[in-house]
Amino acid sequence: TQLLEQSPQFLSIQEGENLTVYCNSSSVFSSLQWYRQEPGEGPVLLVTVVTGGEVKKLKRLTFQFGDARKDSSLHITAAQPGDTGLYLCAGGSFNFGNEKLTFGTGTRLTIIP
Amino acid sequence: DVKVTQSSRYLVKRTGEKVFLECVQDMDHENMFWYRQDPGLGLRLIYFSYDVKMKEKGDIPEGYSVSREKKERFSLILESASTNQTSMYLCASEGYNQPQHFGDGTRLSIL
Repeated sequence: TQLLEQSPQFLSIQEGENLTVYCNSSSVFSSLQWYRQEPGEGPVLLVTVVTGGEVKKLKRLTFQFGDARKDSSLHITAAQPGDTGLYLCAGGSFNFGNEKLTFGTGTRLTIIP
Repeated sequence: DVKVTQSSRYLVKRTGEKVFLECVQDMDHENMFWYRQDPGLGLRLIYFSYDVKMKEKGDIPEGYSVSREKKERFSLILESASTNQTSMYLCASEGYNQPQHFGDGTRLSIL
């Protein structure tokens, strides 16, 4: 079974600070996705990265896929209260032509106004 | 916009009961999934289906079964509920070359 470990598990910082969340595995993935989940809702996709070393930016969020496609990071610049939520990474692997996702353990982020 | 609807937001059942969790999607997606979400463990895949009447075991299928009689509906069944099945259950659907879209979840408590 492939495992994805996220760190830290909990993070509480002041508004305006920068932060980085990590997603690590010993397995290689065909893609890496990041989701955000707010209370009472299902996860919502933020980004998908598919190439080793790929960097994608979404406003103040920067996502990077590791060169070996085993790990990823999410960096948030100048965090805002609206960034509060549970961040989940998910690694994709193909199974008879269909991509199956393995989810990470999650990082619960709280931004204090 | 894709809509994935789970029939109940909250559900309380007793040990030994047979429990049905329903999920409906409105985008004609082939693939549907059931996950459970527990603190510190992320989402774990229970079962998935790539077509009507097809089902595949995920990582933690024990104690569960599924039914997909129609393309838009994917049901998760707890044959004899136990307290260790208290959890948040999430359904997702996925079209060809598209990301998974999730419902808002069912928080199930087994007493």
